[in-house]
Amino acid sequence: KQEVTQIPAALSVPEGENLVLNCSFTDSAIYNLQWFRQDPGKGLTSLLLIQSSQREQTSGRLNASLDKSSGRSTLYIAASQPGDSATYLCAVTAQGGSEKLVFGKGTKLTVNP
Amino acid sequence: DAGITQSPRHKVTETGTPVTLRCHQTENHRYMYWYRQDPGHGLRLIHYSYGVKDTDKGEVSDGYSVSRSKTEDFLLTLESATSSQTSVYFCAISERGGPSYEQYFGPGTRLTVT
Repeated sequence: KQEVTQIPAALSVPEGENLVLNCSFTDSAIYNLQWFRQDPGKGLTSLLLIQSSQREQTSGRLNASLDKSSGRSTLYIAASQPGDSATYLCAVTAQGGSEKLVFGKGTKLTVNP
Repeated sequence: DAGITQSPRHKVTETGTPVTLRCHQTENHRYMYWYRQDPGHGLRLIHYSYGVKDTDKGEVSDGYSVSRSKTEDFLLTLESATSSQTSVYFCAISERGGPSYEQYFGPGTRLTVT
């Protein structure tokens, strides 16, 4: 059974700092990996999707990497801002059946002014 | 933003009553999903649909049923609500169920069962 783990569960940093969020998954047989952002009381916003054949994706100040063989992904946020404060969720689409997302429990990020 | 709406956005109901949540999309996407989000568990798949009248179970389907009579609407029914079904429910859509395609989420429905 695919399991997704995100460490740390919470992270607090000063504004302007570069930071890395970690995601690991137990089964490397995935189609893709997706990073989401969730603001309190809101839905999920898709940030980046990395195909299993890709190594990384970039969008603005965000860069996500994927090492499928080791079951790891990182989300790098450059020059963090208070507006980046949110919970970040990692999810994988597992192979071998229906294409369902399996989510980690998220990392709650606080960027202090 | 993907055109996904959920109704109601908030609901309080009593144990034993039936409840139906609605997800409506304007994107004409084939795949639709229902998830629940709970502290300590993250998001878990309840049911999903891969076309009109085509549905399948997810990880936590007990006590829930779904229906999809039109491409744009996916209904989630709690047949007899229990306190353990107090949660935030999210609908998601995907253009296709294949590996390349992202899922887009609705704003959520907060359900409280008293």
